[in-house]
Amino acid sequence: KAGVTQTPRYLIKTRGQQVTLSCSPISGHRSVSWYQQTPGQGLQFLFEYFSETQRNKGNFPGRFSGRQFSNSRSEMNVSTLELGDSALYLCASRGPGRVDGYTFGSGTRLTVV
Amino acid sequence: GESVGLHLPTLSVQEGDNSIINCAYSNSASDYFIWYKQESGKGPQFIIDIRSNMDKRQGQRVTVLLNKTVKHLSLQIAATQPGDSAVYFCAWKTSYDKVIFGPGTSLSVIP
Repeated sequence: KAGVTQTPRYLIKTRGQQVTLSCSPISGHRSVSWYQQTPGQGLQFLFEYFSETQRNKGNFPGRFSGRQFSNSRSEMNVSTLELGDSALYLCASRGPGRVDGYTFGSGTRLTVV
Repeated sequence: GESVGLHLPTLSVQEGDNSIINCAYSNSASDYFIWYKQESGKGPQFIIDIRSNMDKRQGQRVTVLLNKTVKHLSLQIAATQPGDSAVYFCAWKTSYDKVIFGPGTSLSVIP
């Protein structure tokens, strides 16, 4: 059974640009969550999608957005990139009927220069 | 962003000894708690979980203890091995079904 797949693994962008990250959850998982991980702030919750609807949202500015498709794949977008957006962006999926923790992907390392 | 803590504690243990990693959580209404292990270059990996109606749960070489009175969670690793070296995060589910992570503890195993 394939795990959570995130693409790309590494990305370098310039300030002011926008970026789109992709996440394919485990087959059958309908819940996808996104986290930002930085050395100074730890793991911060961005948002969660379930059946194409945003179910929860963290305290991030509107430059951070996401969506989920009918096949449960999810994308997150960051517009007008800032240096402080450099981080590891992690996607996690959760299975149906289980109140359990998430299965994480390996993340996308975004560097803003 | 929603974050907990800015400082990453570190713990060094001798190979073969037991490790205890502690975590203080903030949400008294949480009913579900999880421990994750994150190795360098990888995403967090589920280790063990516990519901709020329990105070102890055991897995393979790991035990999680929950003290709801003081909002404290601990992870015990028996006979620590070099492969246990990683950053360990506790996490808890909020009333809105979000999973919030603690600041993490870096475990270093000395051969």
